[in-house]
This record gives sequence, C-alpha cells and structure tokens, in this order.
Amino acid sequence: GNSVTQMEGPVTLSEEAFLTINCTYTATGYPSLFWYVQYPGEGLQLLLKATKADDKGSNKGFEATYRKETTSFHLEKGSVQVSDSAVYFCALRNNAGGTSYGKLTFGQGTILTVHP
Amino acid sequence: KAGVTQTPRYLIKTRGQQVTLSCSPISGHRSVSWYQQTPGQGLQFLFEYFSETQRNKGNFPGRFSGRQFSNSRSEMNVSTLELGDSALYLCASSLDRTGGVGTETQYFGPGTRLLVL
Repeated sequence: GNSVTQMEGPVTLSEEAFLTINCTYTATGYPSLFWYVQYPGEGLQLLLKATKADDKGSNKGFEATYRKETTSFHLEKGSVQVSDSAVYFCALRNNAGGTSYGKLTFGQGTILTVHP
Repeated sequence: KAGVTQTPRYLIKTRGQQVTLSCSPISGHRSVSWYQQTPGQGLQFLFEYFSETQRNKGNFPGRFSGRQFSNSRSEMNVSTLELGDSALYLCASSLDRTGGVGTETQYFGPGTRLLVL
C-alpha cells in the first residue's frame, strides 16, 4: 500500500535559518507528491506539488524535488520567517486510478516554530 | 473564485446523536473528498465522490456515510456518535478533468470541528 513518512517534530528554528523537513514515501505506480501547510485553526493549504520524477515544486521560497531513486520529497527553505510557523504535511496521490481515486495519503505532519 | 466552504465550522454533540456536515466545492470542481483529522491518527481519508457516486472509501465503520448532489455539493453524516469521533473534518475538492488521475490538486476547506461529549 501507500505510505508517507515525515521527520519527527517539532522543529524549532530562529528567523532566517535554513529549513529542511524530510519526507519519504512508499507507493505502487507513479504517485504525485504534495506539501500542504496548516496554520492554527485553519484547513490545509497547498504549498507545492510535483507530478513526476525530477520535477521541482516551488512556492513562497519553499522547494521540494521529486526523487524517485530515493523515494523522497524533502521540503526546503533557505531563510524561514516567523510567519512560516505552522504544521507541514507531506502527501501522495497515486496516479494509478482505480481504488486510488481521490485519496491523498498523508504523513503525520511536522510542527515548525520559528522564533524572532 | 470562492474557495471550498464547509458548514458548520463548529459543532458540539452528545454520544448517540447523529450529525450532518456540509461541503460546497470550488465552482466547477466535480470531485469532493472527506478527511478526518485527529491528534492521534492524523489525517485519514473517509471517502470521495464524483458525479454523485462514491468512487472510493477509506477504512471507517458504516456509521460514516456521505452523498453528493447534482451541483457537486456534498454532505457527510455520522450516526450514533462516539467520543472518538471528535475531530476536525476536512473537505477537499478537485477539478478532476482527467477522470481520477492523481495529478489533480485537491483544495481544502477550513474544516468542521466536531466535539462529542
């Protein structure tokens, strides 16, 4: 079956520090990969996505590259801000269709806190 | 374009009651999925509807059900509520032009927070 594993949190950083949140996956077929962010009291917002191997998703200074050889999709940002404090979820959606229709499989989430 | 809307935003029920949650997808989106989020289990897939048909279902008991209307709006129902059903219920919609291929992005609503006492 499909599964996503994220690095254990919480992650605490100072403003302008470099961020990496590791994400690895197990899937049959060729999944699409996503990073979602959840701010306190809100739903999930799509941060970035990649739909095939070697694609790089990027948004708001965040980047992640779809690495099929290592089954990874690590999230990075060069300089974090206090406003980046949130919970980050890595997710996959299998492109095989069939019983995978509409189903996102999520990692457990990583809490990021950025201090001034 | 308006985003995914969910009503109500907050709900308090007692054990044994039933509850109905509503989701209005982004205009033009045909697929609606539901997820349960709890601190212990994280985000878990409940079911997905497309063109008024349930296309996929997660591992939840039959007390959890849903439906989709011709305008793509969706409702989910939980009968005989248990304490463990307390959670944030998230709805997501996608355009699904490609008939279920997973490249389509799912856009989430703000959720309905259900507390069962």
